[in-house]
Amino acid sequence: TQLLEQSPQFLSIQEGENLTVYCNSSSVFSSLQWYRQEPGEGPVLLVTVVTGGEVKKLKRLTFQFGDARKDSSLHITAAQPGDTGLYLCAGRAGGTSYGKLTFGQGTILTVHP
Amino acid sequence: DAGVTQSPTHLIKTRGQQVTLRCSPKSGHDTVSWYQQALGQGPQFIFQYYEEEERQRGNFPDRFSGHQFPNYSSELNVNALLLGDSALYLCASSLIEDIYRSNTEAFFGQGTRLTVV
Repeated sequence: TQLLEQSPQFLSIQEGENLTVYCNSSSVFSSLQWYRQEPGEGPVLLVTVVTGGEVKKLKRLTFQFGDARKDSSLHITAAQPGDTGLYLCAGRAGGTSYGKLTFGQGTILTVHP
Repeated sequence: DAGVTQSPTHLIKTRGQQVTLRCSPKSGHDTVSWYQQALGQGPQFIFQYYEEEERQRGNFPDRFSGHQFPNYSSELNVNALLLGDSALYLCASSLIEDIYRSNTEAFFGQGTRLTVV
């Protein structure tokens, strides 16, 4: 069974601070995705990382895939209240499990003005 | 272009009852996956349907069953409801030929909030 451990589970910070969310596994994933979910809504894809060591930037968000494709991180620079939400990492395995997403338990981020 | 739509949005059932949740995939998509998201947790994969057949299944008991119709819409059925079945049930759609691309995106509906009392 593939598992994704996400940390921290809760994060409460002031506007303007930086933060990093981690997603770790003992298993190799063919790709790692980060989603953001608002209350009462389904998850929305932020980014997909595929290659070991890959770094992707989306405005103030930086995503990194570990060299061994077992871990990933999300770094937010100068957080804003609009960044508040549930952040989820999700991995895709290969082979017959390709269509299945394995999610971490999520990080609830609250950014105070 | 309508995205993934789920109905109903909220549902309250009594322990032991049966429930049916519905999902219409994004236009052009032919594959539907169902996920259960308990409060404060990440979604857990229940099963996936393509060509009206269950293709993959997660670690859920047989009380959880599904169906896909020729128009690609899908239903999730849960029998003999337990209090622990209370959760947000999410439907995600995709195109089967995209499933095997590493960077494919799953499009999620807003979910059905099921409360079992």
